[in-house]
Amino acid sequence: AQSVAQPEDQVNVAEGNPLTVKCTYSVSGNPYLFWYVQYPNRGLQFLLKYITGDNLVKGSYGFEAEFNKSQTSFHLKKPSALVSDSALYFCAVRGNNDMRFGAGTRLTVKP
Amino acid sequence: DTAVSQTPKYLVTQMGNDKSIKCEQNLGHDTMYWYKQDSKKFLKIMFSYNNKELIINETVPNRFSPKSPDKAHLNLHINSLELGDSAVYFCASSIIRGRNEQFFGPGTRLTVL
Repeated sequence: AQSVAQPEDQVNVAEGNPLTVKCTYSVSGNPYLFWYVQYPNRGLQFLLKYITGDNLVKGSYGFEAEFNKSQTSFHLKKPSALVSDSALYFCAVRGNNDMRFGAGTRLTVKP
Repeated sequence: DTAVSQTPKYLVTQMGNDKSIKCEQNLGHDTMYWYKQDSKKFLKIMFSYNNKELIINETVPNRFSPKSPDKAHLNLHINSLELGDSAVYFCASSIIRGRNEQFFGPGTRLTVL
């Protein structure tokens, strides 16, 4: 069985500070890992993914994520947060079965 | 151009009614999905269709029936609606299952009274 955990329901950061949204996963086989963002009353938007290769992947809006196989983690990061980054972020994993999403982390960036 | 569209955006209905939600994608994708997002924002996959063939049927009640007339459309029909069916339903599509990201529709907020 595959699963993904987002240990923080809420992350608060000040604008201009770096942000990290945590994600750990469990999967049999090679993991395909994804981050999505959901703005209020909208569908999920794809940010980035890790399939293979370089452990640091870069995505939309200046976000990046680091794949760490030994820690089974795929944390989302951004060097300098913007107020407009405030949204709900979902980590997802795809193993042998279909995609499983984490419970989501609400990111609030304060001016 | 809208990649994945859903209709209606809002649906308010009484318990016991039957309703349908429509989904269309113009991305040429082979696989389409239905997800349910509950009030706590938890996202759960319900169905997946690949080239009109059902390939996932998660443990959802058989009151829910997906129908795919062609690979660009995946509709969701719900019989005998219950209060617990109130949620936001998202349609999504991807090139094929596996390593490809999914593209989501804007969602349909279903409220059962």
